[in-house]
Amino acid sequence: DGGITQSPKYLFRKEGQNVTLSCEQNLNHDAMYWYRQDPGQGLRLIYYSQIVNDFQKGDIAEGYSVSREKKESFPLTVTSAQKNPTAFYLCASSIPTGGIGYTFGSGTRLTVV
Amino acid sequence: AQSVTQPDIHITVSEGASLELRCNYSYGATPYLFWYVQSPGQGLQLLLKYFSGDTLVQGIKGFEAEFKRSQSSFNLRKPSVHWSDAAEYFCAVYNTNAGKSTFGDGTTLTVKP
Repeated sequence: DGGITQSPKYLFRKEGQNVTLSCEQNLNHDAMYWYRQDPGQGLRLIYYSQIVNDFQKGDIAEGYSVSREKKESFPLTVTSAQKNPTAFYLCASSIPTGGIGYTFGSGTRLTVV
Repeated sequence: AQSVTQPDIHITVSEGASLELRCNYSYGATPYLFWYVQSPGQGLQLLLKYFSGDTLVQGIKGFEAEFKRSQSSFNLRKPSVHWSDAAEYFCAVYNTNAGKSTFGDGTTLTVKP
């Protein structure tokens, strides 16, 4: 069955280290998205990509970076410049028009100590 | 810019009672509207969607939603709630020009036995 795989499910890192979260989909979707979720704040868009080799900043891109070298993959790097990286990170994908809604991965919980 | 408001942060209903979760949106054109559900520690799952046609849409798990353009609302309903419906629910509007969705802050549903 098609879907989105996020790995790892739990991630612990020391403060000041960069960390990369994986997101892979086999739905043949062109569009992919990264959201951050904090308690009581809903979902906030970090980066999104409508096509391979192109991506746009979302509302809270500072301290994050992405790449989109393959249609199936959209990894997110949380850099040491991100002031408060501990959060639940969700990856999603869709067709470019968005009319079918998003398919989400099961998330990665990042804890920085 | 588009926005989504879910006025109720937390709702408690008894099992077997009816449910209505409110969603108001702000968007300049005809909106693509969605409801998603999230269980703790999991990703979001699409419940239903609206982008044209019949203003009453049916979704999975017995949910329905009604689009009311005059009220800029897209409320989610279920006639009889089951304990397994306890979760967080998110309303979203998709911006077809920008190629991204904006989510409300979510409503947490608790079901009393």
